[in-house]
Amino acid sequence: ILNVEQSPQSLHVQEGDSTNFTCSFPSSNFYALHWYRWETAKSPEALFVMTLNGDEKKKGRISATLNTKEGYSYLYIKGSQPEDSATYLCAPRGGNNAGNMLTFGGGTRLMVKP
Amino acid sequence: DAGITQSPRHKVTETGTPVTLRCHQTENHRYMYWYRQDPGHGLRLIHYSYGVKDTDKGEVSDGYSVSRSKTEDFLLTLESATSSQTSVYFCAIRDPGTGNPVEYFGPGTRLLVL
Repeated sequence: ILNVEQSPQSLHVQEGDSTNFTCSFPSSNFYALHWYRWETAKSPEALFVMTLNGDEKKKGRISATLNTKEGYSYLYIKGSQPEDSATYLCAPRGGNNAGNMLTFGGGTRLMVKP
Repeated sequence: DAGITQSPRHKVTETGTPVTLRCHQTENHRYMYWYRQDPGHGLRLIHYSYGVKDTDKGEVSDGYSVSRSKTEDFLLTLESATSSQTSVYFCAIRDPGTGNPVEYFGPGTRLLVL
């Protein structure tokens, strides 16, 4: 079982603020890093898959970066909107994990106030 | 829509009774998973399957069993439900894609054990 840590656990911001959060994971036997967006009472929705050190992905106002050497990824949201309120999960896929399963972090819960 | 359905969507049961949850996919993917949602832990893997009759344990498999007799169906059984198994259960499938595989989630089953 990989040790995956996300910080902060929760975050309250005002509409229009930009924000970022961190996912830390073991850098050994790394295969890929996934980000999911999970709205309350819904199912997790895939945002990004990143594999290469230095990778940067963008989807609208949300972007993510990856550092596989030190084992972390940042998720940025520019100009947060109330509809961005959700829990953001990261999940590395380890190369030595039987069946190459995803291991999920505890998530960062973002609440954007209008 | 990733072509995943779960049934039932909501279930209330009593301690000690057996419960079976069903996950059905229309995508013909090899890998299927059962996760449970736990506060502070994000999603934790209960069991997974990598083909018909091929299953293995995840991180929190105690008290659960699974079966996969057809590619499209993955069943999760709580042999004797306990209050600690009150949770939201998500099924997922792995889409191998053309590059990196991505897991897609079903809508979830909310289980309350009284």
